[in-house]
Amino acid sequence: DAKTTQPTSMDCAEGRAANLPCNHSTISGNEYVYWYRQIHSQGPQYIIHGLKNNETNEMASLIITEDRKSSTLILPHATLRDTAVYYCIVRVVETGANNLFFGTGTRLTVIP
Amino acid sequence: SQTIHQWPATLVQPVGSPLSLECTVEGTSNPNLYWYRQAAGRGLQLLFYSVGIGQISSEVPQNLSASRPQDRQFILSSKKLLLSDSGFYLCAWNKAGGPRYGSEQFFGPGTRLTVL
Repeated sequence: DAKTTQPTSMDCAEGRAANLPCNHSTISGNEYVYWYRQIHSQGPQYIIHGLKNNETNEMASLIITEDRKSSTLILPHATLRDTAVYYCIVRVVETGANNLFFGTGTRLTVIP
Repeated sequence: SQTIHQWPATLVQPVGSPLSLECTVEGTSNPNLYWYRQAAGRGLQLLFYSVGIGQISSEVPQNLSASRPQDRQFILSSKKLLLSDSGFYLCAWNKAGGPRYGSEQFFGPGTRLTVL
C-alpha cells in the first residue's frame, strides 16, 4: 500500500473552513484516497473517498491534485464537534477484503 | 439498517489472564469483518480480517487470535494477556462483493482494554 504523510496537528477557528492536507506521492493508478476521522474514544467514522475527481458530500469535500500525489480534505464550516483525528488512507481493494491501514493522522482542534 | 456491536466497552484484566472480545453485526449478511487495535497515542493497526465463516487472516504476529464461528460474529481472544496488549480494540465491517474500489468500513464503538 502507498503511504501517506499528514501534519501531526492543526487548529481551525470555529465557522471557518478547515483544510487538511495529505501527501501520497507513491499512489498507484488504481488506489483510492479515503478519509476517516476519529473522535476521542470512539470508532473511526468514514468521511469521503475519491479516485481522481473531486468529491463532495454532506460532510466534506475532497480535492485531489491532477497528478494524484496529494489531496486536501475540506470541512467548509468547522464546528467544535469536528475536533478529531483525521486519517488519510490510500488503498486498492483486492479480492475478498478491503483492508485499511491507518497512520497517526492529523489532530484537528476547532477553536471557539 | 446495519449496526455493529462490541462488548464489553471497557475491560481491566491481569497479566496472564485470558481474553474474549465479541463483535456482532446486524442488518447485513456475509460481511467482511476486521479487528483493529489502537495503542495510546498511535494510529490504528489492523490485526485480523475475515471474509467468511472460519476464514481468518492475520496481519501481524502477536499474542492474539481471532475466530468467526458465525457469519456476523467475530471474536478476538488471547490465552494469556501481556501488558503490551493494552489498547483500544475496534471491530469493523464492510460489504463483501461491493464495488471493486472504494468500499468504506463501518466501525463499532470499541473496547478499551487495560492489562495490569
